[in-house]
Amino acid sequence: KAGVTQTPRYLIKTRGQQVTLSCSPISGHRSVSWYQQTPGQGLQFLFEYFSETQRNKGNFPGRFSGRQFSNSRSEMNVSTLELGDSALYLCASSDRSMGWAYEQYFGPGTRLTVT
Amino acid sequence: AQTVTQSQPEMSVQEAETVTLSCTYDTSESDYYLFWYKQPPSRQMILVIRQEAYKQQNATENRFSVNFQKAAKSFSLKISDSQLGDAAMYFCAYRRNYGGSQGNLIFGKGTKLSVKP
Repeated sequence: KAGVTQTPRYLIKTRGQQVTLSCSPISGHRSVSWYQQTPGQGLQFLFEYFSETQRNKGNFPGRFSGRQFSNSRSEMNVSTLELGDSALYLCASSDRSMGWAYEQYFGPGTRLTVT
Repeated sequence: AQTVTQSQPEMSVQEAETVTLSCTYDTSESDYYLFWYKQPPSRQMILVIRQEAYKQQNATENRFSVNFQKAAKSFSLKISDSQLGDAAMYFCAYRRNYGGSQGNLIFGKGTKLSVKP
């Protein structure tokens, strides 16, 4: 099976702009989680989607939003970009049908730089 | 709230030797999973090993094993016969197994492991 793919891999945006990142999970996986990775804060959970519904949300401002489509692909959007949004954004997919032992498979990430 | 602490920002090991990475966590819950993830430079994060809190036996995966001390809330990773390919950032992570946040991994800040030839 193909792994988790994220597009684009690199992105440079200006403060105030908005950005949309995309994640395609492993075929058959219906759960997608998003994480932000920065040198200062480390890895922080953004949100999780399962069957097109947001199931869980981390402690991020409302400028961060996401959605999931019927084919399980997910997008996250950041509006009114700030310099502090510069980070590696990781997507992880999982197969919840495995029960509690399910594993999260991570994508390569999207490196966002805000100038 | 649950927290995960990795007290060693950097570690170094000689090739073929053994190294232990430390992780402690804080939780009032009893049903959870603990994980070690490896993130090589500019490469994807991959799962190294997982431990279910209810299992007393320590998990092992080839050269990787854990020392899970539930009462002490400690979850260390031992890498035996270290190889150059083991050089990476290692993250300890916690995940609860009930309620609405079971998909949420809580990560430590990571330990950068260097392997010397």
